[in-house]
Amino acid sequence: AQSVSQHNHHVILSEAASLELGCNYSYGGTVNLFWYVQYPGQHLQLLLKYFSGDPLVKGIKGFEAEFIKSKFSFNLRKPSVQWSDTAEYFCAVKGYGGSQGNLIFGKGTKLSVKP
Amino acid sequence: DAGVTQSPTHLIKTRGQQVTLRCSPKSGHDTVSWYQQALGQGPQFIFQYYEEEERQRGNFPDRFSGHQFPNYSSELNVNALLLGDSALYLCATGVGEGTGELFFGEGSRLTVL
Repeated sequence: AQSVSQHNHHVILSEAASLELGCNYSYGGTVNLFWYVQYPGQHLQLLLKYFSGDPLVKGIKGFEAEFIKSKFSFNLRKPSVQWSDTAEYFCAVKGYGGSQGNLIFGKGTKLSVKP
Repeated sequence: DAGVTQSPTHLIKTRGQQVTLRCSPKSGHDTVSWYQQALGQGPQFIFQYYEEEERQRGNFPDRFSGHQFPNYSSELNVNALLLGDSALYLCATGVGEGTGELFFGEGSRLTVL
């Protein structure tokens, strides 16, 4: 069965620090990969996605993620975080050919950025 | 442009009761998926509706059922509620099949006593 593992439960950073959140998935076939973000009091929203092509994907608000097939990883990065990045971040995978609505989510990483 | 709307936002039920949650998709969307998010966990896929049919189902018992209406809105029904059904229920909508780009509602928080 597919699964997604996020390495960190809670990350605390100061503003301007660099961020890297780990995500590993277990699925042998072609995958579509996603990072979703949930800001305090708001709904889940798409941060970035990987379908194919360039393994370095750029998303909104300066976030990027790198797909490394050999490591089954899709880590999220940002060079310099801001207080407004405080949120919970979820990595998700959709198996190729699976239902469009069927995403497997990790447990999430809560990011707290100190001003 | 309205996003995904869910109702009710909060509700409290007792064990054994039944509950119905509702979802109106984002304008232009025709696929509705339902997720359960327990405290401290990521969302877990329940099922997906497209063209008024259940297209795929996650690892949830038959107590969880749903429906999609001709206007693409959807309901999630849970029968014989258990304490463990307490969670945030999320509706996510999209267009057709394949991309996995979902737009989520803010959820319905169900507490079972």
